[in-house]
This record gives sequence, C-alpha cells and structure tokens, in this order.
Amino acid sequence: EPEVTQTPSHQVTQMGQEVILRCVPISNHLYFYWYRQILGQKVEFLVSFYNNEISEKSEIFDDQFSVERPDGSNFTLKIRSTKLEDSAMYFCASSEAGQLESSYNSPLHFGNGTRLTVT
Amino acid sequence: GQNIDQPTEMTATEGAIVQINCTYQTSGFNGLFWYQQHAGEAPTFLSYNVLDGLEEKGRFSSFLSRSKGYSYLLLKELQMKDSASYLCAVRPLTGGGNKLTFGTGTQLKVEL
Repeated sequence: EPEVTQTPSHQVTQMGQEVILRCVPISNHLYFYWYRQILGQKVEFLVSFYNNEISEKSEIFDDQFSVERPDGSNFTLKIRSTKLEDSAMYFCASSEAGQLESSYNSPLHFGNGTRLTVT
Repeated sequence: GQNIDQPTEMTATEGAIVQINCTYQTSGFNGLFWYQQHAGEAPTFLSYNVLDGLEEKGRFSSFLSRSKGYSYLLLKELQMKDSASYLCAVRPLTGGGNKLTFGTGTQLKVEL
C-alpha cells in the first residue's frame, strides 16, 4: 500500500537554527498538509497546500514557517529560526481530494513523523 | 471555532466491546473522522461519518448524530494490539481541503 514518507525521523537542532523537514506524499494525492503534536498533546493543524499554494493555515503557522513543493514528489516544511517551543513531532499528510470534490471523504494519510528537538 | 471532547483514558478486557465517545461543538460541520495512534507513531485512519447513523468496518463501527454533536467508536472483540490512542477529528465547512481539528484522544488500554 502506498504511504507517506518523511525524513529525517529525528532532528536535533539548536535554538535559532533553520530546519527543513521533508516529506514525499502519496503519488496520486493532490492535497498536502503539515500537522504537529507536542508531546502529550493533541495533533494540531499547521497548513494545507494545493495546486502549488497554501490553501489554509493556522495561527501557529507564522512567518517563521514556510512550505514548498520543490519538485513533483517532495513537500517540505521550513522553520527559519527555531524556538524551544517548536519541539514536537511533525506529521506530513496527504489526501487524494478535498471536501469540495466528489470523493470528499478521502481521508488524510499520515507519515511516521519527524521528531524535532530544539535545544 | 471547534471544541472536541473525549474521555482521556479507558480500560477494557481482551475479547470485550468498548465504546469511545466524542462530543463536538463546531461553527460548521462537514464530517467526523476516527484515527488510531500507537505511541510514537502516525495516526492511521479508521472511519468516517458525515451523515447520521452507523458505519461498520469489520471490528470497528462509528456512529454519528449531527443534531447532538455526538459520535462514538465501537471496538468489538478487543485484542491487545488495540491498545492505542483513539483520536476523534472534525472537518469544518471551510476551505477546500481536509483540514481536521483533533480532540486530545482517548488512551485505550486492553488488559488480559
């Protein structure tokens, strides 16, 4: 079964440094997402991406965050200047369609996540 | 905005049936999803409801009542591997994608 893959699985960085988290969504999916989960807390939406642009973002996704689809397969999340509170598990997800299309119940498929630790 | 409530923890016995409840308040509703998440792993999709009623999928069933803002996930013939966190997530009626708002999850422990 096709799956979403994320690299690296773990990333340790110092406060103030830039990090790039990488994802390869499922190949026929059109919508891409980043979520994060701080240890012991709920999964939180960061951003959704469709047709090479951001379709929706949360208040967490401030100017320090950016996303990019640099080629036909990768989807990246960049944090420009990491803070201690950015430490979390970051999940990439993809879905075949969005809610306005015929297969609107297409679920999100999540990758295994990148555990980011900011020291 | 969205507000989703689930019990924090539940314990059940192997072979038994367990029902995990979820209540939600939302400014616009376009579907409710249940995900399973084992510790340190990704959430995996279990079920989806957008209309009232019961959806059955093997050992798992999910029910929705939109008028009550209520859903439950029913797990039958519990197995030890079902020990995990079960996440209720609501999709709002905004945007075109599949933005989900998750509850905090219900940690289910299956015992012998």
